[in-house]
Amino acid sequence: EAEVAQSPRYKITEKSQAVAFWCDPISGHATLYWYRQILGQGPELLVQFQDESVVDDSQLPKDRFSAERLKGVDSTLKIQPAELGDSAMYLCASSLRGLRTEAFFGQGTRLTVV
Amino acid sequence: SQQGEEDPQALSIQEGENATMNCSYKTSINNLQWYRQNSGRGLVHLILIRSNEREKHSGRLRVTLDTSKKSSSLLITASRAADTASYFCASQGGSEKLVFGKGTKLTVNP
Repeated sequence: EAEVAQSPRYKITEKSQAVAFWCDPISGHATLYWYRQILGQGPELLVQFQDESVVDDSQLPKDRFSAERLKGVDSTLKIQPAELGDSAMYLCASSLRGLRTEAFFGQGTRLTVV
Repeated sequence: SQQGEEDPQALSIQEGENATMNCSYKTSINNLQWYRQNSGRGLVHLILIRSNEREKHSGRLRVTLDTSKKSSSLLITASRAADTASYFCASQGGSEKLVFGKGTKLTVNP
């Protein structure tokens, strides 16, 4: 069964360091989402791609976060520099183009900033 | 915050009982979806209800939608210990943006 792949599963980094997360969506899925989920809360949308284009990044802290999906397939989310408050689960999801389609989630990357 | 609200935040029931979770959202929607998340893992899609639908069933799940009140409810009937998880609603508008609520943590005791 096709899955959304994310790596790494866990990452510990020191504050002020750079960190990157990778996501490989299900083949053929044009829409890709990155979410941040703080423990005990719901996922918060950081960025949404349609193919290689950013559709929504209104909640992305652009002074330190960047995201790209160069060929409209896999995607990278980067944080530089990391801050203590960035400790969270980072989830990637993908879906087919269009409304009324479910999103498929990866297992996430658990980031701890020390 | 763009997030909606789920109610209650936490719910503890006995196996065999029904569990009802409510969700409110903020903007007009094309559809509303419910997801489940086991501790520390990714989310899994449960059911989608379109804005022109009022009720939908899937197995032991029943979802209702009231667009005039911007609210939805998820009913799990005859709950099992394996239903223990967090449940999130997600609203989707015209841009395909998927906005999640804060979730309800359900515990089903054997």
